[in-house]
Amino acid sequence: AQTVTQSQPEMSVQEAETVTLSCTYDTSENNYYLFWYKQPPSRQMILVIRQEAYKQQNATENRFSVNFQKAAKSFSLKISDSQLGDTAMYFCAFMKIFGNEKLTFGTGTRLTIIP
Amino acid sequence: NAGVTQTPKFQVLKTGQSMTLQCAQDMNHNSMYWYRQDPGMGLRLIYYSASEGTTDKGEVPNGYNVSRLNKREFSLRLESAAPSQTSVYFCATRELGRDTQYFGPGTRLTVL
Repeated sequence: AQTVTQSQPEMSVQEAETVTLSCTYDTSENNYYLFWYKQPPSRQMILVIRQEAYKQQNATENRFSVNFQKAAKSFSLKISDSQLGDTAMYFCAFMKIFGNEKLTFGTGTRLTIIP
Repeated sequence: NAGVTQTPKFQVLKTGQSMTLQCAQDMNHNSMYWYRQDPGMGLRLIYYSASEGTTDKGEVPNGYNVSRLNKREFSLRLESAAPSQTSVYFCATRELGRDTQYFGPGTRLTVL
Protein backbone atom coordinates (compact mmCIF):
# COMPACT_ATOMS: atom_id res chain seq x y z
CA ALA A 1 0.00 0.00 0.00
CA GLN A 2 1.07 3.53 -0.69
CA THR A 3 1.38 6.26 1.90
CA VAL A 4 1.75 9.99 1.45
CA THR A 5 3.15 12.22 4.19
CA GLN A 6 2.89 15.98 4.48
CA SER A 7 4.85 17.03 7.53
CA GLN A 8 3.83 20.70 7.60
CA PRO A 9 0.26 21.05 8.91
CA GLU A 10 0.32 24.84 8.55
CA MET A 11 2.46 27.45 6.84
CA SER A 12 2.23 31.16 6.28
CA VAL A 13 4.14 33.51 4.03
CA GLN A 14 4.05 37.15 3.03
CA GLU A 15 2.42 38.06 -0.23
CA ALA A 16 4.85 38.03 -3.19
CA GLU A 17 7.29 35.71 -1.40
CA THR A 18 8.14 32.15 -2.37
CA VAL A 19 7.02 29.16 -0.34
CA THR A 20 7.76 25.44 -0.59
CA LEU A 21 5.43 22.72 0.63
CA SER A 22 6.89 19.31 1.38
CA CYS A 23 5.58 15.87 0.48
CA THR A 24 7.12 12.44 0.80
CA TYR A 25 5.63 9.14 -0.23
CA ASP A 26 6.28 5.46 0.12
CA THR A 27 5.64 2.95 -2.64
CA SER A 28 7.11 -0.12 -4.25
CA GLU A 29 5.64 0.88 -7.62
CA ASN A 30 7.83 2.17 -10.42
CA ASN A 31 5.12 3.71 -12.58
CA TYR A 32 2.90 6.30 -10.99
CA TYR A 33 1.73 9.88 -10.98
CA LEU A 34 1.98 12.53 -8.33
CA PHE A 35 -0.35 15.47 -7.92
CA TRP A 36 -0.82 18.62 -5.93
CA TYR A 37 -4.44 19.64 -5.32
CA LYS A 38 -5.58 22.94 -3.87
CA GLN A 39 -8.69 23.25 -1.71
CA PRO A 40 -9.73 26.87 -1.05
CA PRO A 41 -12.41 27.76 1.50
CA SER A 42 -15.02 27.02 -1.17
CA ARG A 43 -14.12 23.36 -0.61
CA GLN A 44 -13.61 22.67 -4.33
CA MET A 45 -10.67 20.37 -5.12
CA ILE A 46 -8.57 22.00 -7.84
CA LEU A 47 -5.67 20.34 -9.61
CA VAL A 48 -2.55 22.50 -9.35
CA ILE A 49 0.12 20.40 -10.99
CA ARG A 50 0.93 16.79 -11.92
CA GLN A 51 4.12 14.81 -12.45
CA GLU A 52 4.70 11.51 -14.22
CA ALA A 53 7.24 9.39 -12.36
CA TYR A 54 8.98 8.31 -15.55
CA LYS A 55 9.79 11.92 -16.44
CA GLN A 56 12.95 13.35 -14.94
CA GLN A 57 12.02 16.92 -15.81
CA ASN A 58 10.17 18.73 -13.08
CA ALA A 59 6.67 19.93 -13.96
CA THR A 60 5.87 23.64 -13.98
CA GLU A 61 2.59 25.52 -14.29
CA ASN A 62 3.04 29.29 -14.28
CA ARG A 63 3.98 30.22 -10.68
CA PHE A 64 3.83 26.61 -9.50
CA SER A 65 6.67 24.14 -9.87
CA VAL A 66 7.69 20.87 -8.29
CA ASN A 67 10.94 19.35 -7.15
CA PHE A 68 10.55 15.65 -7.85
CA GLN A 69 13.24 13.42 -6.37
CA LYS A 70 12.27 9.86 -7.29
CA ALA A 71 15.03 8.08 -5.41
CA ALA A 72 14.26 10.04 -2.25
CA LYS A 73 10.49 9.68 -2.84
CA SER A 74 10.05 13.39 -2.39
CA PHE A 75 7.67 15.70 -4.24
CA SER A 76 7.68 19.30 -3.04
CA LEU A 77 5.61 22.18 -4.41
CA LYS A 78 7.10 25.65 -4.87
CA ILE A 79 4.81 28.63 -5.21
CA SER A 80 6.56 31.74 -6.51
CA ASP A 81 5.29 35.31 -6.16
CA SER A 82 2.56 34.11 -3.80
CA GLN A 83 -0.84 35.77 -4.05
CA LEU A 84 -3.72 36.13 -1.62
CA GLY A 85 -5.73 33.72 -3.77
CA ASP A 86 -3.20 31.01 -3.02
CA THR A 87 -4.54 30.79 0.54
CA ALA A 88 -5.90 27.23 0.76
CA MET A 89 -5.30 23.69 1.90
CA TYR A 90 -2.84 21.89 -0.35
CA PHE A 91 -2.92 18.13 -0.72
CA CYS A 92 -0.24 15.93 -2.20
CA ALA A 93 -1.60 12.78 -3.86
CA PHE A 94 -0.24 9.57 -5.40
CA MET A 95 -1.74 7.37 -8.07
CA LYS A 96 -0.26 4.18 -9.44
CA ILE A 97 -0.76 3.73 -13.15
CA PHE A 98 -2.08 0.19 -13.27
CA GLY A 99 -4.87 -0.91 -10.99
CA ASN A 100 -7.92 1.01 -9.90
CA GLU A 101 -6.06 4.29 -10.29
CA LYS A 102 -7.33 5.62 -7.00
CA LEU A 103 -5.72 8.64 -5.41
CA THR A 104 -3.93 8.31 -2.08
CA PHE A 105 -3.81 11.67 -0.33
CA GLY A 106 -1.61 13.20 2.31
CA THR A 107 -3.15 15.00 5.28
CA GLY A 108 -2.69 18.43 3.76
CA THR A 109 -0.89 21.70 4.49
CA ARG A 110 -2.90 24.79 5.31
CA LEU A 111 -1.20 27.72 3.58
CA THR A 112 -2.01 31.31 4.49
CA ILE A 113 -0.75 34.21 2.41
CA ILE A 114 -0.36 37.33 4.55
CA PRO A 115 -1.06 40.70 2.91
CA ASN B 1 -20.86 21.91 -19.26
CA ALA B 2 -21.52 21.44 -15.56
CA GLY B 3 -18.65 18.96 -15.09
CA VAL B 4 -19.30 16.98 -11.90
CA THR B 5 -22.35 17.86 -9.83
CA GLN B 6 -23.34 16.59 -6.41
CA THR B 7 -26.62 16.80 -4.54
CA PRO B 8 -27.35 17.80 -1.90
CA LYS B 9 -24.69 20.33 -0.84
CA PHE B 10 -25.56 20.00 2.85
CA GLN B 11 -27.50 17.42 4.84
CA VAL B 12 -28.22 16.76 8.49
CA LEU B 13 -29.38 13.29 9.52
CA LYS B 14 -30.28 11.60 12.76
CA THR B 15 -28.56 8.38 13.73
CA GLY B 16 -30.22 5.45 11.96
CA GLN B 17 -31.69 7.45 9.10
CA SER B 18 -30.86 6.60 5.52
CA MET B 19 -30.05 8.77 2.56
CA THR B 20 -28.51 8.72 -0.90
CA LEU B 21 -25.87 11.14 -2.15
CA GLN B 22 -26.11 11.76 -5.87
CA CYS B 23 -23.29 12.40 -8.32
CA ALA B 24 -23.64 13.13 -12.02
CA GLN B 25 -21.07 13.98 -14.67
CA ASP B 26 -21.35 15.26 -18.22
CA MET B 27 -17.70 14.67 -19.09
CA ASN B 28 -18.33 11.23 -20.62
CA HIS B 29 -15.76 9.70 -18.26
CA ASN B 30 -15.72 5.99 -17.54
CA SER B 31 -14.38 5.95 -13.99
CA MET B 32 -16.13 7.47 -11.01
CA TYR B 33 -15.13 7.63 -7.34
CA TRP B 34 -16.52 8.45 -3.93
CA TYR B 35 -14.18 9.90 -1.29
CA ARG B 36 -14.73 11.18 2.21
CA GLN B 37 -12.74 13.97 3.86
CA ASP B 38 -12.39 14.17 7.62
CA PRO B 39 -10.62 16.89 9.63
CA GLY B 40 -6.87 16.36 9.79
CA MET B 41 -7.00 13.68 7.15
CA GLY B 42 -6.74 13.63 3.41
CA LEU B 43 -9.47 12.26 1.21
CA ARG B 44 -10.05 8.52 1.52
CA LEU B 45 -11.63 6.33 -1.11
CA ILE B 46 -14.96 4.73 -0.20
CA TYR B 47 -15.98 3.05 -3.47
CA TYR B 48 -15.14 3.39 -7.12
CA SER B 49 -16.58 2.33 -10.45
CA ALA B 50 -14.26 1.63 -13.36
CA SER B 51 -17.16 1.55 -15.81
CA GLU B 52 -20.93 1.38 -16.02
CA GLY B 53 -22.26 -1.61 -14.12
CA THR B 54 -19.11 -2.30 -12.10
CA THR B 55 -18.22 -1.19 -8.58
CA ASP B 56 -15.42 -2.02 -6.16
CA LYS B 57 -14.59 -1.27 -2.54
CA GLY B 58 -12.03 1.29 -1.61
CA GLU B 59 -10.25 1.97 1.63
CA VAL B 60 -13.27 2.72 3.88
CA PRO B 61 -16.39 1.00 2.45
CA ASN B 62 -18.10 -0.12 5.66
CA GLY B 63 -21.55 1.41 6.15
CA TYR B 64 -21.94 2.44 2.51
CA ASN B 65 -23.38 1.05 -0.71
CA VAL B 66 -23.10 2.40 -4.24
CA SER B 67 -24.93 2.15 -7.54
CA ARG B 68 -23.64 2.88 -11.02
CA LEU B 69 -26.79 2.59 -13.08
CA ASN B 70 -25.48 4.41 -16.12
CA LYS B 71 -22.36 6.14 -17.33
CA ARG B 72 -23.36 9.55 -15.98
CA GLU B 73 -24.48 8.76 -12.45
CA PHE B 74 -22.87 7.19 -9.39
CA SER B 75 -24.78 7.28 -6.11
CA LEU B 76 -23.63 6.62 -2.55
CA ARG B 77 -26.13 5.29 -0.02
CA LEU B 78 -26.00 5.29 3.75
CA GLU B 79 -28.49 2.68 4.95
CA SER B 80 -28.28 3.49 8.67
CA ALA B 81 -26.31 6.65 9.31
CA ALA B 82 -23.90 6.83 12.25
CA PRO B 83 -22.14 9.85 13.79
CA SER B 84 -18.83 8.43 12.51
CA GLN B 85 -20.10 9.11 8.99
CA THR B 86 -20.16 12.85 9.60
CA SER B 87 -17.83 14.06 6.88
CA VAL B 88 -17.53 15.89 3.59
CA TYR B 89 -18.15 13.58 0.64
CA PHE B 90 -16.60 14.12 -2.77
CA CYS B 91 -17.40 12.50 -6.06
CA ALA B 92 -14.74 12.41 -8.77
CA THR B 93 -14.43 11.21 -12.34
CA ARG B 94 -11.58 10.18 -14.61
CA GLU B 95 -11.31 9.52 -18.31
CA LEU B 96 -10.14 6.05 -19.29
CA GLY B 97 -6.42 6.05 -19.90
CA ARG B 98 -5.90 9.50 -18.44
CA ASP B 99 -4.49 10.31 -15.03
CA THR B 100 -6.37 13.35 -13.76
CA GLN B 101 -9.44 13.07 -11.55
CA TYR B 102 -12.01 15.86 -11.56
CA PHE B 103 -13.93 16.54 -8.39
CA GLY B 104 -17.44 17.68 -7.63
CA PRO B 105 -18.12 20.46 -5.12
CA GLY B 106 -18.72 18.08 -2.20
CA THR B 107 -21.56 17.30 0.19
CA ARG B 108 -21.24 18.19 3.86
CA LEU B 109 -23.07 15.55 5.90
CA THR B 110 -23.71 15.77 9.63
CA VAL B 111 -25.11 12.80 11.55
CA LEU B 112 -26.48 13.66 14.98
